[in-house]
Amino acid sequence: GDSVTQMEGPVTLSEEAFLTINCTYTATGYPSLFWYVQYPGEGLQLLLKATKADDKGSNKGFEATYRKETTSFHLEKGSVQVSDSAVYFCALSSRTGNQFYFGTGTSLTVIP
Amino acid sequence: NAGVTQTPKFQVLKTGQSMTLQCAQDMNHEYMSWYRQDPGMGLRLIHYSVGAGITDQGEVPNGYNVSRSTTEDFPLRLLSAAPSQTSVYFCASSPGTAGNQPQHFGDGTRLSIL
Repeated sequence: GDSVTQMEGPVTLSEEAFLTINCTYTATGYPSLFWYVQYPGEGLQLLLKATKADDKGSNKGFEATYRKETTSFHLEKGSVQVSDSAVYFCALSSRTGNQFYFGTGTSLTVIP
Repeated sequence: NAGVTQTPKFQVLKTGQSMTLQCAQDMNHEYMSWYRQDPGMGLRLIHYSVGAGITDQGEVPNGYNVSRSTTEDFPLRLLSAAPSQTSVYFCASSPGTAGNQPQHFGDGTRLSIL
């Protein structure tokens, strides 16, 4: 079945460091891919998305490219800030769009 | 902009008790869903609905019931609570069932079963 595997955390970085959180997926057909962010005590918020191969999603300095050949959707940011500290979830929507599958989440802490 | 509203935010139950977690959205979204979030397991889909009167099971439906009598509301019922159902529950909605539609999440209900 469809599934998402993402890099385990926790990840701790210094401010202005480069961030990569790896995400790979298994799916039938051509799913849509998403990154969500969860701040403490809150629900998930959409960070970015890509709906077809080679699409690049971007938002707030974060980027991820839909790579069909490697079934990956890695999240990157060139210079993290303390305010980026949160849990990040990779997700895909099934071929019918009726079910979403989430990774286990990666906790990021950015220290000044 | 209320978005997706979940009530209550916190609840403690005893084993065997029943309760209903409420979820309402004011965005006229067709698709609504319930997830549970457990440490190290991410979010797992419990039930979902693609419109009023239509519901279906997700990955972990056992022990939970849902109904969708209106577009706005999608309550989740625990008929006989068990300690294994201790979790954080999230309701989400999206405009349609097309795969590229992102979901909007509520703030969650933290449920403890003693």
